[in-house]
Amino acid sequence: ETVLTQSPATLSVSLGESATLSCRASQSVRGNLAWYQQKPGQSPRLLIYGSSTRATGIPARFSGSGSATEFTLTISSLQSEDFAVYYCQQYNDLYSFGQGTKLQIK
Amino acid sequence: EPRLVESGGDLVQPGGSLRLSCAASGFTFSTYAMSWVRQAPGKGLEWVAAISNTGDTIYYADSVKGRFTISRDNSNNALFLQMTDLITEDTALYYCAKWQLTFDCWGQGTLVTVSS
Repeated sequence: ETVLTQSPATLSVSLGESATLSCRASQSVRGNLAWYQQKPGQSPRLLIYGSSTRATGIPARFSGSGSATEFTLTISSLQSEDFAVYYCQQYNDLYSFGQGTKLQIK
Repeated sequence: EPRLVESGGDLVQPGGSLRLSCAASGFTFSTYAMSWVRQAPGKGLEWVAAISNTGDTIYYADSVKGRFTISRDNSNNALFLQMTDLITEDTALYYCAKWQLTFDCWGQGTLVTVSS
């Protein structure tokens, strides 16, 4: 079973600044990693798949990078609607999710 | 546009059973693998089960193996999750999700509460 560890658990960032979220896998998942955004009371929304490919309709301020065991989601020029919980998910070895990073306004 | 609508969630006693349904529309259901993903109150996401587009290949998370059964009816664009021997740890919002490269479409979820 591949375990994903996200850091930090909570990240406080000001509007207009950038946020960097990390996801570490317990074993290589190659490039089979996705990122989701979840706002309170809503279902998860796909942001990134294949480590770095933005899903349809996702703004360019969202970018993903990494491979094997280390991955990063970067959100530039944070807007108010970006404050949410973010999950990484691997699909190399069945499926598993990280525990989430809560992005909050500083 | 793809749409998934879950139903069947309820309050059930430990040891009880429940069957969840997911109605799909807006896409060719029979060509996509599907999954159930759950989220305990205030917690993160946990993948539960997956089924191939034909239903021939099925996988389960260890936490539900032997107790839950995923199935589908391609004629009626429906996904199911039969849950038995429910325990309090199964309390969660259960989402169905469509698989295309990743989970690209989610329903709104149906709440299962296991409590005496």
